[in-house]
Amino acid sequence: GAGVSQSPSNKVTEKGKDVELRCDPISGHTALYWYRQSLGQGLEFLIYFQGNSAPDKSGLPSDRFSAERTGGSVSTLTIQRTQQEDSAVYLCASSLEGLAYEQYFGPGTRLTVT
Amino acid sequence: GNSVTQMEGPVTLSEEAFLTINCTYTATGYPSLFWYVQYPGEGLQLLLKATKADDKGSNKGFEATYRKETTSFHLEKGSVQVSDSAVYFCALSDRGTSYGKLTFGQGTILTVHP
Repeated sequence: GAGVSQSPSNKVTEKGKDVELRCDPISGHTALYWYRQSLGQGLEFLIYFQGNSAPDKSGLPSDRFSAERTGGSVSTLTIQRTQQEDSAVYLCASSLEGLAYEQYFGPGTRLTVT
Repeated sequence: GNSVTQMEGPVTLSEEAFLTINCTYTATGYPSLFWYVQYPGEGLQLLLKATKADDKGSNKGFEATYRKETTSFHLEKGSVQVSDSAVYFCALSDRGTSYGKLTFGQGTILTVHP
């Protein structure tokens, strides 16, 4: 079946603009995670969704970052007033409930803030 | 808090050489341990896992044993191939939580030459 998909694959934006990144998890996966992969910080957890709720937002780096999930499926990560330090690859992963450690990752969105 | 430390790379080997990538961890709970691999141009993939002490995870000729006494989960392969060239990430998930929030090491770049 289809894996986790993310769009766009690449995004170049100007400093100060808002961006939206989309994640389509594997059908039936109730858990969804966002991570960020950057040169300086490695791979960092951002937020976890179970269904449409986000019980763990502890990794979001600032209040410019927000995420939502609708219908227990698609998730959108929004970054407002982008800064150069936001440049990174944003990864989405999903898993079945009860098999939370078997996460399937999408290909990522490479965000470049100029 | 939780943390993962990987041996620094990059690692360059000739085909058929023996591979070890060291990984040690610090965790407040009783974690599950993983190795993920990222092949060039592809997304993160789960390579192997171990969920309790002395478990050995294995896949594609790679092995890693969960050593609680040394808090380690070193990745090994007896004979590497050019196709093993990739970035390898050690990770943990604290089973004290009900979900699989992953903490990653910095990643080790492996290049295998013919």
